Amino acid sequence: GESVGLHLPTLSVQEGDNSIINCAYSNSASDYFIWYKQESGKGPQFIIDIRSNMDKRQGQRVTVLLNKTVKHLSLQIAATQPGDSAVYFCAEIKYGQNFVFGPGTRLSVLP
Amino acid sequence: DSGVTQTPKHLITATGQRVTLRCSPRSGDLSVYWYQQSLDQGLQFLIHYYNGEERAKGNILERFSAQQFPDLHSELNLSSLELGDSALYFCASSVGVLTQETQYFGPGTRLLVL
Repeated sequence: GESVGLHLPTLSVQEGDNSIINCAYSNSASDYFIWYKQESGKGPQFIIDIRSNMDKRQGQRVTVLLNKTVKHLSLQIAATQPGDSAVYFCAEIKYGQNFVFGPGTRLSVLP
Repeated sequence: DSGVTQTPKHLITATGQRVTLRCSPRSGDLSVYWYQQSLDQGLQFLIHYYNGEERAKGNILERFSAQQFPDLHSELNLSSLELGDSALYFCASSVGVLTQETQYFGPGTRLLVL
């Protein structure tokens, strides 16, 4: 499959540990934020989203935290598994306008 | 399988040419989004259509255009192609306009401009 972003920052975690992937966003007026996962050779996959009026949202094994004061978004993955190995992107959305994607972080799960 | 289909999977063409990429959303989804992914620019949003109408425009060049047809499939037209247009082009669909709902991506069309 295609290598997306050959020089992406990489986070290596031990299988079973928790992972935290961070993202800084730029537009304080963004309405909405999304985390995507992209495995090698595949299209992005929607993981979880959060509205700007929320601080935290939980899904299955994932939690997104939004800190509007410092314009920071994080994705926490509990009990990281080999299948979680992928590139993770955050996106900030202003309704009716643009999606802006972060550069991505490569998550590598070690056995 | 996300239920979103894109054709063709691969496309090789020459500079100056024009190509059309096609996307069929999941059954029942009214929104279609187009994205470009290249190694140097990462993932970029191009345009969003909802039920046939343009809803948002991102970093889409004037040489590029898109439309969504009454049957909800969408086409992305790329003209006067340049080497830098070589990229993966993804479409995605969702039921509405992305308010706490899942967005499903197609497998992408890999465009190579020689």
